[in-house]
Amino acid sequence: SAVISQKPSRDICQRGTSLTIQCQVDSQVTMMFWYRQQPGQSLTLIATANQGSEATYESGFVIDKFPISRPNLTFSTLTVSNMSPEDSSIYLCSVETGPFFGPGTRLTVL
Amino acid sequence: AQSVTQPDIHITVSEGASLELRCNYSYGATPYLFWYVQSPGQGLQLLLKYFSGDTLVQGIKGFEAEFKRSQSSFNLRKPSVHWSDAAEYFCAVVQPGNTGKLIFGQGTTLQVKP
Repeated sequence: SAVISQKPSRDICQRGTSLTIQCQVDSQVTMMFWYRQQPGQSLTLIATANQGSEATYESGFVIDKFPISRPNLTFSTLTVSNMSPEDSSIYLCSVETGPFFGPGTRLTVL
Repeated sequence: AQSVTQPDIHITVSEGASLELRCNYSYGATPYLFWYVQSPGQGLQLLLKYFSGDTLVQGIKGFEAEFKRSQSSFNLRKPSVHWSDAAEYFCAVVQPGNTGKLIFGQGTTLQVKP
């Protein structure tokens, strides 16, 4: 199974700022995925990140709000831009093998 | 559209009792099926998955699930629940060949009484 780490594990941010979340995998993977889990809710896929190409976003999510980088086969970042309290969620990355998930980043926006 | 339904939002069982968590899916073809567990403040842990073959799947922590095509169901079971099983359980599906793009059910919260 893949071992996935995320940084930061949690953060409290001010409205209007941006936060970049990092996801590191211990093996090379073709696709990485970013999910959002709003308080008390299930998980929703934000986007798929392939190395060397633009991320593919799901309906309701846009690149300007959630820019994603995928510089190599073991790493990806998700930025939550111009944050509002509605962005308070747990953000999780995953890989197609498994699929396995990282521990998540708990974001609170004040 | 594909969807996953977990009819029970909250279930309480006594420690040592058996457990069954329900999951139904709506899909054009048989999807790949998964069960995950999320303990408070933790990430998601994969319990088991079904792709094809034997419809009774064994997972970690003593869990098993049975795929029933006729009922579009993939229910999770455990013969004897431990207090440490208290958590949120999610059923998920994915289109074959699209592994990774999971569609999740709303989750079932399991409470275990001593």
